[in-house]
Amino acid sequence: EAGVAQSPRYKIIEKRQSVAFWCNPISGHATLYWYQQILGQGPKLLIQFQNNGVVDDSQLPKDRFSAERLKGVDSTLKIQPAKLEDSAVYLCASSFRAGVETQYFGPGTRLLVL
Amino acid sequence: AQKITQTQPGMFVQEKEAVTLDCTYDTSDQSYGLFWYKQPSSGEMIFLIYQGSYDEQNATEGRYSLNFQKARKSANLVISASQLGDSAMYFCAMRKGAGGTSYGKLTFGQGTILTVHP
Repeated sequence: EAGVAQSPRYKIIEKRQSVAFWCNPISGHATLYWYQQILGQGPKLLIQFQNNGVVDDSQLPKDRFSAERLKGVDSTLKIQPAKLEDSAVYLCASSFRAGVETQYFGPGTRLLVL
Repeated sequence: AQKITQTQPGMFVQEKEAVTLDCTYDTSDQSYGLFWYKQPSSGEMIFLIYQGSYDEQNATEGRYSLNFQKARKSANLVISASQLGDSAMYFCAMRKGAGGTSYGKLTFGQGTILTVHP
């Protein structure tokens, strides 16, 4: 079974530029999560989707971050405009449903904002 | 609000020995789940073990066991017979709810870097 796929793996941009990350969850997984992991810290949830609806986006900086999950499968996370403090690893995870099932994580996208 | 505390920034262990990674949590919920993940230098988060708040037995998965002490609000990870490949960052995490009523969001601790020496 294929795991969670993410691209790109690495991205370097200058502040005020925009960037987008893509995630393809495990086939059949209805729940998708985006986490931000700043160096030296644990991941922090940005947004959670159940199919194509948002369940929790309370910690998403909505003035600059946006996310969508069209057709309840792939998801895109966008930052516009980027700030220096957005430098982090962005992890996508999926689970069969938002219940007891384990969340399976992708390899992450490492973003550096200069 | 939920909070996870991992007080050991780094731990060292000799190959083939056992090691305990500490995790304490704080929550006002009666129902919750506790997780341990491993993050190698490559970056992916690998699920290791899960313990539900209502589970009476400590969870075990191969060389991993979770020492769950509910009254102390601790959920320490024990790795037996350490291997060189166990060198990685380890995160303790919790989720509100256990069983069918749980909610997806994981709250993570700061992590512990484990180094296994030959």
